[in-house]
Amino acid sequence: AQTVTQSQPEMSVQEAETVTLSCTYDTSESDYYLFWYKQPPSRQMILVIRQEAYKQQNATENRFSVNFQKAAKSFSLKISDSQLGDAAMYFCAYRSAPYASGTYKYIFGTGTRLKVLA
Amino acid sequence: ETGVTQTPRHLVMGMTNKKSLKCEQHLGHNAMYWYKQSAKKPLELMFVYNFKEQTENNSVPSRFSPECPNSSHLFLHLHTLQPEDSALYLCASSPLGTGEAFFGQGTRLTVV
Repeated sequence: AQTVTQSQPEMSVQEAETVTLSCTYDTSESDYYLFWYKQPPSRQMILVIRQEAYKQQNATENRFSVNFQKAAKSFSLKISDSQLGDAAMYFCAYRSAPYASGTYKYIFGTGTRLKVLA
Repeated sequence: ETGVTQTPRHLVMGMTNKKSLKCEQHLGHNAMYWYKQSAKKPLELMFVYNFKEQTENNSVPSRFSPECPNSSHLFLHLHTLQPEDSALYLCASSPLGTGEAFFGQGTRLTVV
């Protein structure tokens, strides 16, 4: 069974600084997706960034980038130039290869609470 | 706004009550999901539907009963819940093929 581990329950970063959130996962599949979701106090889970396992190039979205190490099964999120609005819970998620039904299983870590200090 | 709407946002119910949670998406997605989010625990997958067919039941107690009348709507019927069922219940949808899951804002359920 696949698992996702986020070992940092809470992180703090000074505004305008850079922070890296860690995520490791375990799987025997070769075809999968990895995601980082952000959950602010409004509770809406919002996609931050996605990475396809078959792509060697690390994904980037503006101030957000990942360090995807497939062999090490590591998927960290780097937030550059941190802003107050980045404060939220961040969840790492794994999406399996599709079932015969065509649906997927999304497996989440326990989350990292990011505080941004002014 | 992600295109997935959940109602109600908050719900307080007694252990003998019957209530339903509603989820609606008009993104044209085929798959819909119910997740339970409790403090300090990973999101727990409860049910998965592909179009109107349930494809996964993750050993969820029978006091939770899902219903998917069409590919845009998903319900979670609740009856004789326990206090430990208090949690945030999240609905999500996703397309078949590439793409991520889109989540609703959740229903904060408190069982008293």
